[in-house]
Amino acid sequence: DSGVTQTPKHLITATGQRVTLRCSPRSGDLSVYWYQQSLDQGLQFLIQYYNGEERAKGNILERFSAQQFPDLHSELNLSSLELGDSALYFCASSPRGTVAGELFFGEGSRLTVL
Amino acid sequence: AQSVTQPDIHITVSEGASLELRCNYSYGATPYLFWYVQSPGQGLQLLLKYFSGDTLVQGIKGFEAEFKRSQSSFNLRKPSVHWSDAAEYFCAVVGGSGNTPLVFGKGTRLSVIA
Repeated sequence: DSGVTQTPKHLITATGQRVTLRCSPRSGDLSVYWYQQSLDQGLQFLIQYYNGEERAKGNILERFSAQQFPDLHSELNLSSLELGDSALYFCASSPRGTVAGELFFGEGSRLTVL
Repeated sequence: AQSVTQPDIHITVSEGASLELRCNYSYGATPYLFWYVQSPGQGLQLLLKYFSGDTLVQGIKGFEAEFKRSQSSFNLRKPSVHWSDAAEYFCAVVGGSGNTPLVFGKGTRLSVIA
């Protein structure tokens, strides 16, 4: 158990819909990262937050947005969903003072868009 | 920008045999390098990391990796594979000062046969 909690574990929805994925980082971790894992693209970095502020942005679509709340949990919002958005979405957190690569991953939220 | 190549998509080894998974990185300076493992249905777990110093690093679960600057490689090794090692293995890199997001390779799937 990494200490990072993601909900829901599985989600099935239709094209055009909007979903919210939730992540609770490990206790004390200020950084939260979101990654998308798909068969064709592999693991792609989406966005990073540090203590409520956006720190880095990767290949995140404009239809996607995220935020980190004062209690440090984070949400990833995916809207106007397309078939190609079907993927496993991971949240990860890192301890303060470590380099960006030392991540603790949640078990992921599997999104299926029909 | 930094990138990682894992040339082998799938490797099969016999239980008890030795293992080497290849990883090549592209980055102008000395990178921070990582190996992660993803068991079926699980999130990613950090196996080991290289920042500087001794080029042979030890990780969890009996794994080790060797950084070779001349070959831009960071290959993962294990002297004797166990059936429980069957999983997907990802090499990853962080560039710069260690504050840029982690970039993953496409992964190598390891199968272990009796």
